[in-house]
Amino acid sequence: DADVTQTPRNRITKTGKRIMLECSQTKGHDRMYWYRQDPGLGLRLIYYSFDVKDINKGEISDGYSVSRQAQAKFSLSLESAIPNQTALYFCATSGNRGGEQFFGPGTRLTVL
Amino acid sequence: GQSLEQPSEVTAVEGAIVQINCTYQTSGFYGLSWYQQHDGGAPTFLSYNALDGLEETGRFSSFLSRSDSYGYLLLQELQMKDSASYFCAVRDESNFNKFYFGSGTKLNVKP
Repeated sequence: DADVTQTPRNRITKTGKRIMLECSQTKGHDRMYWYRQDPGLGLRLIYYSFDVKDINKGEISDGYSVSRQAQAKFSLSLESAIPNQTALYFCATSGNRGGEQFFGPGTRLTVL
Repeated sequence: GQSLEQPSEVTAVEGAIVQINCTYQTSGFYGLSWYQQHDGGAPTFLSYNALDGLEETGRFSSFLSRSDSYGYLLLQELQMKDSASYFCAVRDESNFNKFYFGSGTKLNVKP
């Protein structure tokens, strides 16, 4: 089984709709992240969380919100989706040392 | 802040050696990582340099020089399956919880 899972894998929605992307992990890591990737670009950090009571904004948090329901679960919401939020979204975790992050399979979101 | 620069695209022939460079401007970091991402897939971790020098993992090697603000990923005996995007990343020294990524280098391996 995958260590980091994301649901849904693909989603098409309309402008103005509220969308939630979910992430679960079995790595036992405290740190969880949401990134956005646009074609030809790198990964941009939306939000990150060190534990259930710790939520931090990344570079591009406007238009997004998150919830850390448990150590293993971190969800990303788009309160009112807009077309320029069409992108590939990745959830990731990291441990206490080293430079490794573990990524989920991604959610491809299209906002029409 | 952190800024990492990589060439946007590199092309090489199967069986050859290719080097993907990463130059950075940072306010301090713990180490330099490299990730591979195939089209439509998730980034997967390749290597990590906490200290200056060369780290070797099979056909892949990674190098870091903090004094030159520079690192690279070296891929030897290129295979078609190595065609992918490669990202360098740093873990922020002022905030251990944050990572910053370069914009990625698309490697095209030709027969």
